[in-house]
Amino acid sequence: AQTVTQSQPEMSVQEAETVTLSCTYDTSESDYYLFWYKQPPSRQMILVIRQEAYKQQNATENRFSVNFQKAAKSFSLKISDSQLGDAAMYFCAYISYGGSQGNLIFGKGTKLSVKP
Amino acid sequence: GAVVSQHPSRVICKSGTSVKIECRSLDFQATTMFWYRQFPKQSLMLMATSNEGSKATYEQGVEKDKFLINHASLTLSTLTVTSAHPEDSSFYICSAKTTTSLGGDTQYFGPGTRLTVL
Repeated sequence: AQTVTQSQPEMSVQEAETVTLSCTYDTSESDYYLFWYKQPPSRQMILVIRQEAYKQQNATENRFSVNFQKAAKSFSLKISDSQLGDAAMYFCAYISYGGSQGNLIFGKGTKLSVKP
Repeated sequence: GAVVSQHPSRVICKSGTSVKIECRSLDFQATTMFWYRQFPKQSLMLMATSNEGSKATYEQGVEKDKFLINHASLTLSTLTVTSAHPEDSSFYICSAKTTTSLGGDTQYFGPGTRLTVL
């Protein structure tokens, strides 16, 4: 069974600095997607970034980028120039490509605090 | 694009009553929607997968007779909590899966519904 592990329950970063959130996963499949979702205090889950496993190039979305290491099954999120609005829970998630039910597998989350 | 709405955002009900929560994909069609439950400071727990025009698939341990799911159209799924009890109080979140052309297998989430059963 696939699993997603986020080993950092909490992280803290100074405003304008850079922070990296870790995520590892376990799967025997070769085709899958990986995601980072953000859940601010409003509890609305917001898609931050998506990575297709077949792509070697790391995904980027403005200040957010990932370091996808397929062989190591690692998928870390880097937030550059951190802003106060980045404070939230961040969930790493996995889904197999064309999965039978298509359900996401989530990590337990990392709570990110941003200090002014 | 890819906006999902959920209604109501908050609901308080008496024990023994039923509550219906609606999940709508506003600008795309979703053949598959998902219902999650989230306890405080925890990750999302998948309750069921809802496919348009067919019966929902429930995760192990989720009572299908208690949590009724209907996916009547490509843009609407409903979750009805029947005979609600205080232990059903929680935060319920729905999501809708886009089609491949929109970046397939990506789920977009509704804003959630806070259910409190007195």
